[in-house]
Formats: sequence, C-alpha cells, structure tokens
Amino acid sequence: AQSVAQPEDQVNVAEGNPLTVKCTYSVSGNPYLFWYVQYPNRGLQFLLKYITGDNLVKGSYGFEAEFNKSQTSFHLKKPSALVSDSALYFCAVRDSVYSSASKIIFGSGTRLSIRP
Amino acid sequence: EPEVTQTPSHQVTQMGQEVILRCVPISNHLYFYWYRQILGQKVEFLVSFYNNEISEKSEIFDDQFSVERPDGSNFTLKIRSTKLEDSAMYFCAGTLGSTDTQYFGPGTRLTVL
Repeated sequence: AQSVAQPEDQVNVAEGNPLTVKCTYSVSGNPYLFWYVQYPNRGLQFLLKYITGDNLVKGSYGFEAEFNKSQTSFHLKKPSALVSDSALYFCAVRDSVYSSASKIIFGSGTRLSIRP
Repeated sequence: EPEVTQTPSHQVTQMGQEVILRCVPISNHLYFYWYRQILGQKVEFLVSFYNNEISEKSEIFDDQFSVERPDGSNFTLKIRSTKLEDSAMYFCAGTLGSTDTQYFGPGTRLTVL
C-alpha cells in the first residue's frame, strides 16, 4: 500500500532563511506526489505536484520540491521564508496511477512556523 | 479562478440526527471525493465518486454514510445518524481527469453534541 511520512511535526525557521519540510514516500509503481498547505480555519490549498519529468518542481508562493527517486523523498523547499508561510503543510501521494478516481493519501502534516 | 464551495461552513447537530453536507465542485470536474480531518489528525479519505457511482470507499464510510450528485452540480455527503466521533472537518474535492490535481473546498466543520 502507498504511504507518506513526514518525520517532523514542527519546523521553526527565521524569516529570510531557507526552509525545508521533509517528506518520504512508499509506492508501488511511479509516484504521483503533491504538497498542500492549510492555513488556520481554511481548506487545503494545492502548492505543487510531481508526476514526471524534471525532478525540481516549482509551485505557488515561491515553493519548490525536489523529487529524489533513490531516497524516495519529495522535500518541500523555499529559499527565503516569510512569516506568512506559517501554516500546516501536507505531503501526499496518489494511491494508484491506474485508477481514474484514485484517492490521495496524506502525510500527518508538518507545522511550519516562521519567526520574524 | 473557479473554486470548490461547501456549505455550511459550520454545522452543529445532536447525536443521532441526520446531516447533509453540500459541495459545489468546479463545473468541468468529473471525479469527486470526500475526505475528513478530525481535529489535530491527518486528512483521511472517505469516498470517491465518478459517473454517478461510488468508485471506492474507505472503512470509515459505513452504512451511515451516503453520497449523491442529485442535480449535476451539487455533491452531497449524508450522515444518517451522527455519532460523537463524526465530529470533524469534512472536505470535498474534485478533479478533471485521472492525473489531475484534486482541488479542495474550504471544508465544513461538523460538531456532534
């Protein structure tokens, strides 16, 4: 079965510093990977995805993620953090690339806190 | 930019009552989903829906749950007899095709007393 792990419950970064939010995955077959962000009392907003192609994927709000097949990782990064980036971040994997209505499996989430 | 909408934003109900949560997906989406997030926990899949049929459901989605797309625009989740443990945020999502991103609504917070 597909699974996603986010090893850090919380990441604290000073504003202006680079940030990394870690994610590792386990899939059978080719992975479809996603990052979503959840602001307080809001829904899940799509940030970026990897399906195929370039291992470095660029997304919304200056975020990017690097797909590493050998390490089965898909870490989220941003070169310079903003206080407004503080939120809950979810890594996710599509359950099956063969099923059209395939569900997404979410990691447990990482709370990112950016201090001024 | 089109958005998924959900109503109500917050629903409070008594245990044993029926609730219907409503979603209006993006108009050209074909595949629909419900997920839930119990406070402080991860987002969990409930059910997927395509071509007016359930495609897949999780073990959470028992006989108390049902979904419907009654009029080609709304997508509803019904809980027949709510339990305390049904208290959660419920998210609707949709996607156009098999490799497309799932776009989520803002959620309905269900509180069962």
